[in-house]
Amino acid sequence: NAGVIQTPRHKVTGKGQEATLWCEPISGHSAVFWYRQTIVQGLEFLTYFRNQAPIDDSGMPKERFSAQMPNQSHSTLKIQSTQPQDSAVYLCASSLAGGPDTGQLYFGEGSKLTVL
Amino acid sequence: GDSVTQTEGPVTVSESESLIINCTYSATSIAYPNLFWYVRYPGEGLQLLLKVITAGQKGSSRGFEATYNKETTSFHLQKASVQESDSAVYYCALGDTNAYKVIFGKGTHLHVLP
Repeated sequence: NAGVIQTPRHKVTGKGQEATLWCEPISGHSAVFWYRQTIVQGLEFLTYFRNQAPIDDSGMPKERFSAQMPNQSHSTLKIQSTQPQDSAVYLCASSLAGGPDTGQLYFGEGSKLTVL
Repeated sequence: GDSVTQTEGPVTVSESESLIINCTYSATSIAYPNLFWYVRYPGEGLQLLLKVITAGQKGSSRGFEATYNKETTSFHLQKASVQESDSAVYYCALGDTNAYKVIFGKGTHLHVLP
């Protein structure tokens, strides 16, 4: 049973360039989450989709970050005009929405973004 | 707002010693939060270690235990005898019953010496 798949595992961009990160949730999971992990802030919630619909993007920096879920098998996180402070590990997670497993997130291994 | 505070790492213990990683939470917007411990082993993704959704109950997994204490708003992680394979980063977390916005602590890096 494949887990959450994230690509690329590592990405290096120059300041001002665009970065797109991909996530394939576990088949059958209807909820998809994006988190950002840094040493200083720890794990920060970015955004959440349920049944492909955006539910909450309150954690997303408004101007340069966007997330989409065009189909149930993948989600993307796009960062435009990347800045050094965007350097972090971006984690995608999926879960069953509701039912006995409510609250259990299944995480991918993360995409480490380095902005030079 | 809601928050989680846990033992700052790194924490270093020797194999077969006991361990406690403290976790306290503040849940101002969630009346009855679900509480979780997640773990990230080297080279692996973050995964659920244990969860407790009812105050007063204890969760356990892989020899680890944590009790949901609503009075002290704590959910400390304990193990009687650690192993080198327990070396990992441990995250305490809380969420509501929908749990779509799980709030994590900053993580505690545990090193177990052989």
